[in-house]
Amino acid sequence: DAGITQSPRHKVTETGTPVTLRCHQTENHRYMYWYRQDPGHGLRLIHYSYGVKDTDKGEVSDGYSVSRSKTEDFLLTLESATSSQTSVYFCAISEVGITNTGELFFGEGSRLTVL
Amino acid sequence: TQLLEQSPQFLSIQEGENLTVYCNSSSVFSSLQWYRQEPGEGPVLLVTVVTGGEVKKLKRLTFQFGDARKDSSLHITAAQPGDTGLYLCAGAHTSYGKLTFGQGTILTVHP
Repeated sequence: DAGITQSPRHKVTETGTPVTLRCHQTENHRYMYWYRQDPGHGLRLIHYSYGVKDTDKGEVSDGYSVSRSKTEDFLLTLESATSSQTSVYFCAISEVGITNTGELFFGEGSRLTVL
Repeated sequence: TQLLEQSPQFLSIQEGENLTVYCNSSSVFSSLQWYRQEPGEGPVLLVTVVTGGEVKKLKRLTFQFGDARKDSSLHITAAQPGDTGLYLCAGAHTSYGKLTFGQGTILTVHP
């Protein structure tokens, strides 16, 4: 199994509070991704990183920011959580870019509930 | 937006039956991947298909990429309870630099 650790695994928070989810990898892969998974929507890309301090937006980036100060860590921040951000968040890594048929290795997910 | 439509969304069958899951789009993909996800875990890659018309077999699972690279199918022969899970297809667009996931098919195989 790829060495990907997400924390926290479960979190309940209130609307308007900031939340940070952490993804840590031990594989030294260049690419890291944050997805959210909701019923009926599959996996949707929030943000991704193609190197230290190199990040870009995905298809559902509004309300989220990311940072990558080290190869192994990719942080997802909700500056002011809303109920629509209640979801299961998955971190993924890949050695090559996804458009080069790179395999995505996923973490176990972080379940976030915003009340 | 490049959409990937998976069907059916839900599939409940008895052990030993065969089934097929479809993944369709109006867009052309450079490659297509199939992932399987179990409850409480992240998706795990099953296969990547790259060439139009390509067929790949993984034990009882057969994956096919359409000739026009717009669709794909996953066929499971003699399903077993261990096949239960969420199956996701994901298409890669080289020109857009994106990987688009389908909504998923929840498969339940009853003993």
